[in-house]
Amino acid sequence: QKEVEQDPGPLSVPEGAIVSLNCTYSNSAFQYFMWYRQYSRKGPELLMYTYSSGNKEDGRFTAQVDKSSKYISLFIRDSQPSDSATYLCAMMGNEKLTFGTGTRLTIIP
Amino acid sequence: GAVVSQHPSRVICKSGTSVKIECRSLDFQATTMFWYRQFPKQSLMLMATSNEGSKATYEQGVEKDKFLINHASLTLSTLTVTSAHPEDSSFYICSARGRSRGPYSNQPQHFGDGTRLSIL
Repeated sequence: QKEVEQDPGPLSVPEGAIVSLNCTYSNSAFQYFMWYRQYSRKGPELLMYTYSSGNKEDGRFTAQVDKSSKYISLFIRDSQPSDSATYLCAMMGNEKLTFGTGTRLTIIP
Repeated sequence: GAVVSQHPSRVICKSGTSVKIECRSLDFQATTMFWYRQFPKQSLMLMATSNEGSKATYEQGVEKDKFLINHASLTLSTLTVTSAHPEDSSFYICSARGRSRGPYSNQPQHFGDGTRLSIL
């Protein structure tokens, strides 16, 4: 079993829809949770960085962490074509970052 | 803030050539830098971790004599792929992390835009 599980997609939604991206994990040592966005042929860009269980909002993005269920989510409201990218969840414990496989998202105009 | 610059973005060279990739943190001091490799449609695989002024720590299966890492300053790390072969062709990405606050290394990593290496 992988330490971090993420559905690779692809996921296609119409413009303006709410997008829900999720990851599950098995390692209780993970303490910090991140979401990165990666455009084709580019490096990952940090979107959200959370520590505690609960919600964190930044503009159209909301990150949700449920440590009891070992489950994290990223919600994108009012999705735009420019949100089309691969979204990687990442988790840190013991100083190492462990990534999910990434979900490829396409927003259809 | 937190900009990481990686250069070059693309390298095409012949088998047997050594290739150097630079990673710079432009607006913060990176006490730790990381080098990753990413294959198409796969996630990032950590190759090594380097702290400024000390030797890099390599992940299992990564040849330290093949992938030379230098982290001579708080803003610059280099990865040299020595005697590159076609199987070394990949997307190499660096990341940098600033000084941690408190006893835990909880600063997020910021990534460069990667280097696409193609060995003919």
